[in-house]
Amino acid sequence: RKEVEQDPGPFNVPEGATVAFNCTYSNSASQSFFWYRQDCRKEPKLLMSVYSSGNEDGRFTAQLNRASQYISLLIRDSKLSDSATYLCVPRPSGYALNFGKGTSLLVTP
Amino acid sequence: DAGITQSPRHKVTETGTPVTLRCHQTENHRYMYWYRQDPGHGLRLIHYSYGVKDTDKGEVSDGYSVSRSKTEDFLLTLESATSSQTSVYFCATREDLAYEQYFGPGTRLTVT
Repeated sequence: RKEVEQDPGPFNVPEGATVAFNCTYSNSASQSFFWYRQDCRKEPKLLMSVYSSGNEDGRFTAQLNRASQYISLLIRDSKLSDSATYLCVPRPSGYALNFGKGTSLLVTP
Repeated sequence: DAGITQSPRHKVTETGTPVTLRCHQTENHRYMYWYRQDPGHGLRLIHYSYGVKDTDKGEVSDGYSVSRSKTEDFLLTLESATSSQTSVYFCATREDLAYEQYFGPGTRLTVT
């Protein structure tokens, strides 16, 4: 079973919309998570770290639901520049992060 | 963002030739990583380093070797390049006592 599962999308939303992605995880002992964004043909960039119940940074809100074992990322007032792939990554027990394929978001005018 | 650079940024090489990619960081981070990314796949770990001269294999290490002779540099060598190693290669670093990784801009390698 994969460590995390994400809907690959693509999610197509109009500019200004609110969009949410879920990421389910299998290891109930996972303590914290990271959201990365990756633009086409670019490197992944850390968007947000989620250590307890959640985190908020401007238009972006992440929430961790330990009972149901999922993490959500909410983007409010979507911008064209939010178009990217969003990767949910659990904090590892070892040295390396385990990246999946992520969720693709396309914000349209 | 950590100061991470990769060189070269683009390279075309022929099958059977050795290739070395360089990752350079200015943040004094202890850990460094090499990933490859291919269409339809997520990032896959090739090798990583947990200190100078300390390295270990990732999930797709066959055909690759690494070296880390100083903190700031992590080299990835394709001993004899094959077409299946055509990919985008990303380097990443992280500091001790943290888990967030920061990525370099990537190297696009084509093996013909």
